[in-house]
Amino acid sequence: QLQLQESGPGLVKPSETLSLTCSVSGGSVSSSNFYWGWIRQPPGKGLEWIGSIFYSGTTYYNPSLKSRVTVSLDTSKNSVSLKLNSVIVADTAVYYCARPPRPSIFDAFDIWGQGTMVTVSS
Amino acid sequence: QSALTQPASVSGSPGQSITISCTGTSSDVGGYNYVSWYQQHPGKAPKLLFYDVYNRPSGVSDRFSGSKSGNTASLTISGLQAEDGADYYCSSYTSSYTLVFGGGTKVTVL
Repeated sequence: QLQLQESGPGLVKPSETLSLTCSVSGGSVSSSNFYWGWIRQPPGKGLEWIGSIFYSGTTYYNPSLKSRVTVSLDTSKNSVSLKLNSVIVADTAVYYCARPPRPSIFDAFDIWGQGTMVTVSS
Repeated sequence: QSALTQPASVSGSPGQSITISCTGTSSDVGGYNYVSWYQQHPGKAPKLLFYDVYNRPSGVSDRFSGSKSGNTASLTISGLQAEDGADYYCSSYTSSYTLVFGGGTKVTVL
């Protein structure tokens, strides 16, 4: 059974880079035709799609974050990474990684990690 | 990209039916049958209820139903139960090869 686990620093200073890893077990990040996604949720607020990556490495990003975000696959570690540069307080959120229910779609996510809280503060 | 529009809150009594709307534009909801719905309880990750408007993942109760008309998608919960009290989010694929979520709807079971 596929499981996702996010990890990374819980506290990041403003202007620094937020780096998170989503470790995948029970499946491979290089599984043919699957997308992997990152979604975040500020405290008490709604969900925001950050970006998605295809198993081949093709990426798609939220236009509002595109200049600061990088999503990548690490097949050697079977993981998906998220980097967000020049963070601000408004980037404080629970960050989730997730995978769609079937290949070749990135418009829905049915397998989610538990989420990891990241606070941006000096 | 602008968030999809959902009512902030909807309430109903046990056994009743409620409907949550999700309004977008012809560039997202209206342009594609790629609308999804999620249920989220406090402190938990979202749970997928529907994708591609009508596709219900296995294990999701058939008391939930999804539909779409024009630029508005809808989620209906029939036979409302106490455990249905949660936040609900819609999302849609967009013409810019991106995803956009709705602002969320808090469902209260009276």
